[in-house]
Amino acid sequence: KNEVEQSPQNLTAQEGEFITINCSYSVGISALHWLQQHPGGGIVSLFMLSSGKKKHGRLIATINIQEKHSSLHITASHPRDSAVYICAVSSSNTGKLIFGQGTTLQVKP
Amino acid sequence: ETGVTQSPTHLIKTRGQQVTLRCSSQSGHNTVSWYQQALGQGPQFIFQYYREEENGRGNFPPRFSGLQFPNYSSELNVNALELDDSALYLCASSLLGYTDTQYFGPGTRLTVL
Repeated sequence: KNEVEQSPQNLTAQEGEFITINCSYSVGISALHWLQQHPGGGIVSLFMLSSGKKKHGRLIATINIQEKHSSLHITASHPRDSAVYICAVSSSNTGKLIFGQGTTLQVKP
Repeated sequence: ETGVTQSPTHLIKTRGQQVTLRCSSQSGHNTVSWYQQALGQGPQFIFQYYREEENGRGNFPPRFSGLQFPNYSSELNVNALELDDSALYLCASSLLGYTDTQYFGPGTRLTVL
């Protein structure tokens, strides 16, 4: 079993829909990162959080440390949100980043 | 403020050859991490450099090696290339290592034939 699991693996939505991507992890962490990767490879850091909730524009990230679970929400989704969304955790034991497999999101107009 | 840059963008090599990939950190960042991302997979941590010293390594064989220079730019060297080394190689820089926001470069796509 992977140390970081994301669901769903693939997601197709209509423009305007509310989207949720989930991330569960099984290791102790010092921080959790949500990343966005567009076709071609470039990765952008969306959020880094260790507790609670963060919001940036239409994106919201939450984390529940006790349940070892985080969610990334996209409100009023748009075709330009189409990308791979990756959850990664900074292991509190080893320090290194452990990545989930990614969730491929396609938002149709 | 200059972002993270990587060179080359694409590279084709044959089995057994050696390759050097380069990364320039974001201005002011003293930590660089390297990742390998196979097609359809999440990135895998190769190693991290902090102030020119290796500061953590993932499950990669010794033929994967690196360097960080005084200006904090970095190189990833892979010897005796294997077909499975074909992947996107990403570097990311940060100020404070793993618990800080990672700034990723665009990646180098390596194909081993």
